Parts: sequence; C-alpha cells; structure tokens
Amino acid sequence: SQKIEQNSEALNIQEGKTATLTCNYTNYSPAYLQWYRQDPGRGPVFLLLIRENEKEKRKERLKVTFDTTLKQSLFHITASQPADSATYLCALLNQAGTALIFGKGTTLSVSS
Amino acid sequence: EAGVTQFPSHSVIEKGQTVTLRCDPISGHDNLYWYRRVMGKEIKFLLHFVKESKQDESGMPNNRFLAERTGGTYSTLKVQPAELEDSGVYFCASSRTTGVGFYEQYFGPGTRLTVT
Repeated sequence: SQKIEQNSEALNIQEGKTATLTCNYTNYSPAYLQWYRQDPGRGPVFLLLIRENEKEKRKERLKVTFDTTLKQSLFHITASQPADSATYLCALLNQAGTALIFGKGTTLSVSS
Repeated sequence: EAGVTQFPSHSVIEKGQTVTLRCDPISGHDNLYWYRRVMGKEIKFLLHFVKESKQDESGMPNNRFLAERTGGTYSTLKVQPAELEDSGVYFCASSRTTGVGFYEQYFGPGTRLTVT
C-alpha cells in the first residue's frame, strides 16, 4: 500500500537558520506532492504543491524539491522565524484521486 | 468566505454511547472528506462525498461508523456504539468540484473525541 514517511518527528533550529524537512514515499508514483502546515488545535493548511515534472517550487521563504527517482521531497524554510514553529505534513493524493495520504508530520520549533 | 466548521470541538463519551459529529463545508464545495487522526499516528482518510453521494468510503473502519450528507450541504458522522479505539481527532475537509488537475482541500479545526 502507499506509504509516506517523514523521517524526523521533531526538528529544533535557531531563528534565521534554514529548516529542511524530508518526506519519502513508497509503492506509488504520484503526479504531485503537497505540503501542509498544522498548528495546535487547528486543521492542516495547504502550503505548496509540486508536480512530478517540476524539480523545485518556491513560495516566499518556502522551497520544495521533488525527486521522483529517489521518491523523496525536501521542504525548506529559509530565514526561519519563531512564527514558523508548527507541524509540517507531507501528503499525496491516493491513486483513485479521492483522498489525501499523509505522513505523520515533523514538528518544527524555531527558537529566538 | 467562511471556512470549514465542525461541531462540537470536543466530545467526551463513554464506551457504548453514540456520538454525532457535524461538518459544514465551504459554501459551493461539492466535495467533502472525513479524516481521522489517532494519537501517535498519521491523519487517515475515512470517506469522500461528492454532493450527497459517497464517492469513496474505503477508509471507514467498520460498520459502527455512519456518514451522511443529506442535500449535499453539511455532513454528519455518527459513531454507534463508540469504542475506546475510536478516540482521536476527526477532521472534515472540502474542495471544489474535482476534474482534471488539483483542487486544494480546506480543513476544519477538527473534533476531538475521547471515549472513556
């Protein structure tokens, strides 16, 4: 079955540094991969989508890469701020295209 | 534009009781999804409605769970009778009409269900 792994449960970095989160998937060749942000007590919020024919996507301080050979996506936050502290989720659409498959998420803590 | 709303935000019930969760999607969104996060696990898909029809209910754990979306607007998810392992956070999401391409799913804040 399709599976997503986010290698780190938690990541602690200092303000101003770049945070890099990893997402690996198996048993699937998705057309695109998504990243969501989740704050405590709230639902996931969509951040970025990257398609299989795109190597890299940027949005403000966010950058996502997608390597379909390695079956891996990297999510970068540059010049990190304490407000970036949250749980970041990697997600794929299932093969039926009807639902999202999520990783467990990586909780990022940015200290000032 | 109002977001996806869910009610209640928290529910604590005893094993064997019944609970009904409600989700109001964003107006005009034909697609409605239910997901669940059990402690320590990832968010998992339960089912998908397109308007009032169940498009995919492959993620429903068992027949103690019943989802409805009468009239294609709000949806309810009933758990009867509740078991301890049903505890978790239940999320609802909605999106525009599907077709070719990607349609962002908008999530509600979730209902935290605790079965004691």
